[in-house]
Amino acid sequence: AQKITQTQPGMFVQEKEAVTLDCTYDTSDPSYGLFWYKQPSSGEMIFLIYQGSYDQQNATEGRYSLNFQKARKSANLVISASQLGDSAMYFCAMREGGTGGFKTIFGAGTRLFVKA
Amino acid sequence: DGGITQSPKYLFRKEGQNVTLSCEQNLNHDAMYWYRQDPGQGLRLIYYSQIVNDFQKGDIAEGYSVSREKKESFPLTVTSAQKNPTAFYLCASSASASLSGNTIYFGEGSWLTVV
Repeated sequence: AQKITQTQPGMFVQEKEAVTLDCTYDTSDPSYGLFWYKQPSSGEMIFLIYQGSYDQQNATEGRYSLNFQKARKSANLVISASQLGDSAMYFCAMREGGTGGFKTIFGAGTRLFVKA
Repeated sequence: DGGITQSPKYLFRKEGQNVTLSCEQNLNHDAMYWYRQDPGQGLRLIYYSQIVNDFQKGDIAEGYSVSREKKESFPLTVTSAQKNPTAFYLCASSASASLSGNTIYFGEGSWLTVV
């Protein structure tokens, strides 16, 4: 069964520093996608970055990068040069490409606090 | 602008009432979803629809109903059978439900409170 684990309920980072948010996953499907979303206090879910299981390189989108370690089944989000506006909940998600392809499951989330 | 519109943003329901949350998308996406989020927790799938006139139960479908009469619209009804409906509800869509790489995009959510 597919599973997503985010072990950090909360994280603090100083403004302008980098921070890593952890995510591990479990699946037996060789084809899957990994996603990160940001949820500010307003509630909307904002898509940040995507990594496919067959992608050879780590995904990057501006200040966001995904540290994908397939053998360890981890997909950590790295935010460089943190900004005050980065304070939010962050969710890791996974979607299998096989028969469960309709279903994206989400981790419990990590709340990030950026300090001035 | 393309996107997903949910309404209302805030809704209060009395005990025993059914309420319907609206979700409309103009992204031409085939698949649509409803998620529930309780405070401090992740998202749980209520229902999803891969094509018009078809929908499937997710993990927590009891007490909810949906319809998909148009590609653009996927309303969610929270029935009186749902014993603990107070939550944040998120509607989402993706180009396809069957490919792992299809990103899910979300609306701004609806807060439902039982009074």
